[in-house]
Amino acid sequence: SQQGEEDPQALSIQEGENATMNCSYKTSINNLQWYRQNSGRGLVHLILIRSNEREKHSGRLRVTLDTSKKSSSLLITASRAADTASYFCATDARGGKLIFGQGTELSVKP
Amino acid sequence: NAGVMQNPRHLVRRRGQEARLRCSPMKGHSHVYWYRQLPEEGLKFMVYLQKENIIDESGMPKERFSAEFPKEGPSILRIQQVVRGDSAAYFCASSPQGREPQHFGDGTRLSIL
Repeated sequence: SQQGEEDPQALSIQEGENATMNCSYKTSINNLQWYRQNSGRGLVHLILIRSNEREKHSGRLRVTLDTSKKSSSLLITASRAADTASYFCATDARGGKLIFGQGTELSVKP
Repeated sequence: NAGVMQNPRHLVRRRGQEARLRCSPMKGHSHVYWYRQLPEEGLKFMVYLQKENIIDESGMPKERFSAEFPKEGPSILRIQQVVRGDSAAYFCASSPQGREPQHFGDGTRLSIL
């Protein structure tokens, strides 16, 4: 079964608003990664947070990790129409195999 | 620096035929991973290979599916005697020496008639 569960499944916002997506997982991890997938394309790596980190930033992205709750969140600030995509969290427990959540479909309306 | 290249992008097969999906990793990457994505779902791990070795095949169906990554040439995911349930997008990823992050190709969309 899938490791992660993401919520919400779908999110629709206006340009300029912030978007927050959450991910929960079940087992111990080495790191947690977030990927973006545009329709019909492959996954693009966004950001990685290690199990000993609590927060990480990259441009308009902010990721938090709470290992005690086995959860992570991805915040996209000042969203743009180009951010419209599906977002997946993936956990890496033992080097190599990534276990993906079901994804959040984000729609940013201009 | 070319990314992960997968071909074909789209593949149509009739039930019972064989499907061969190819993946050329990024230059300098010696580790390859295959994932399958069913409609409206996230990716599910299938197999992890290094050159000439299978490291982890815990996600591969026991029958009809095989994967290889020869010393020379691309990695191949082979599905024999395809069935309708094999219809999915198959993604390949590569990484340098098994270290993160994994870089993904654009996938092969397999349709079974």
